[in-house]
Amino acid sequence: EAQVTQNPRYLITVTGKKLTVTCSQNMNHEYMSWYRQDPGLGLRQIYYSMNVEVTDKGDVPEGYKVSRKEKRNFPLILESPSPNQTSLYFCASSLRGGSLRRGNEKLFFGSGTQLSVL
Amino acid sequence: EDQVTQSPEALRLQEGESSSLNCSYTVSGLRGLFWYRQDPGKGPEFLFTLYSAGEEKEKERLKATLTKKESFLHITAPKPEDSATYLCAGGYSGGSNYKLTFGKGTLLTVNP
Repeated sequence: EAQVTQNPRYLITVTGKKLTVTCSQNMNHEYMSWYRQDPGLGLRQIYYSMNVEVTDKGDVPEGYKVSRKEKRNFPLILESPSPNQTSLYFCASSLRGGSLRRGNEKLFFGSGTQLSVL
Repeated sequence: EDQVTQSPEALRLQEGESSSLNCSYTVSGLRGLFWYRQDPGKGPEFLFTLYSAGEEKEKERLKATLTKKESFLHITAPKPEDSATYLCAGGYSGGSNYKLTFGKGTLLTVNP
């Protein structure tokens, strides 16, 4: 089954304790992205990756790191989490990002990771 | 700056009462306009992509349309199971980069 898999689904941690949220897709997609969703603010893009070894900042990158060493995986790293990073996080992927071929930009989302930083 | 604005923030309808949701967007650099449905605690689910003004797409009771500055999601004779948050997003391309910018969504509640 084609899917984007995030882990964990729920995570409670304390300020300053490094954590990684994993994201994997099995659709051979080139484009992957991380979003956070907060009440009243909607979905905001953290980082995205156009392909392996190519990453770029989204709208709210501060406090986050990503890597894209393999096509299928795009982990989100919080080196020193703070309470303002408490949020619902979504990973998403698409076949291409901004491709001239229509239909390739459709994003598939994971089920989300609810993170609480105490 | 890329911007996608949705209205209203919330909409409450009676079952069978048709209505429309609005999405206005920044035109420059737009590669596609997307509509998603999101149920509580779940990831957004793709509904439609629109690329050109005048384009329309339908799925069951939903119909999405696109003008040069806005997109509308028309809901005909809604049912309670249509209750969800509907998200509009613009796909923006600049050079070799591509970003999908979401509006804040419209929370639709359909009462039986």
